[in-house]
Amino acid sequence: ETGVTQTPRHLVMGMTNKKSLKCEQHLGHNAMYWYKQSAKKPLELMFVYNFKEQTENNSVPSRFSPECPNSSHLFLHLHTLQPEDSALYLCASSQDQPRDPYGYTFGSGTRLTVV
Amino acid sequence: GQNIDQPTEMTATEGAIVQINCTYQTSGFNGLFWYQQHAGEAPTFLSYNVLDGLEEKGRFSSFLSRSKGYSYLLLKELQMKDSASYLCAVRDGGANNLFFGTGTRLTVIP
Repeated sequence: ETGVTQTPRHLVMGMTNKKSLKCEQHLGHNAMYWYKQSAKKPLELMFVYNFKEQTENNSVPSRFSPECPNSSHLFLHLHTLQPEDSALYLCASSQDQPRDPYGYTFGSGTRLTVV
Repeated sequence: GQNIDQPTEMTATEGAIVQINCTYQTSGFNGLFWYQQHAGEAPTFLSYNVLDGLEEKGRFSSFLSRSKGYSYLLLKELQMKDSASYLCAVRDGGANNLFFGTGTRLTVIP
């Protein structure tokens, strides 16, 4: 399998549930990212991992908890979410180079609905 | 911070040319990217500009003016399959973190 794979594609959860989103990349990249995409809003950078170390936490509420066990896998653990957290959650990977001309490779996202 | 602005929606006719503009304000500009995103799919890389000028790649071209904080994506010979959202993203500073505009939803009509 190649590229960036996200599971599940769709998730419906209650506000008291705990769930996890998974992202896996097979590109040999050393940086991975979580973005939130809401309707009519820019993609919001949530977390950045370089070589498994978290380098960015963009003021994300603690009900979102990332985990990066190795440079190929990234998780986003969810608990006690709010309805406004419903969105498309995109994972991406890249080489951690300041002048990388290829940008990110994105996964297809997880469509999350909080009820 | 970053401020990236692009039109929300555009409509164009099959076979025509369309230009999607993007303006940005960043403290440490280090490259600009355009991505295409079809509904329900992953954004895919289209182009990269870091120096002023035009980059051409088939039917798609991207232009950058760093002094004006301005870029555009030019799509020629439009096809129905070009209906998608087009995302402008700027790399700000030394890290490879990208900051995105809201995206422009392009609808191609027969």
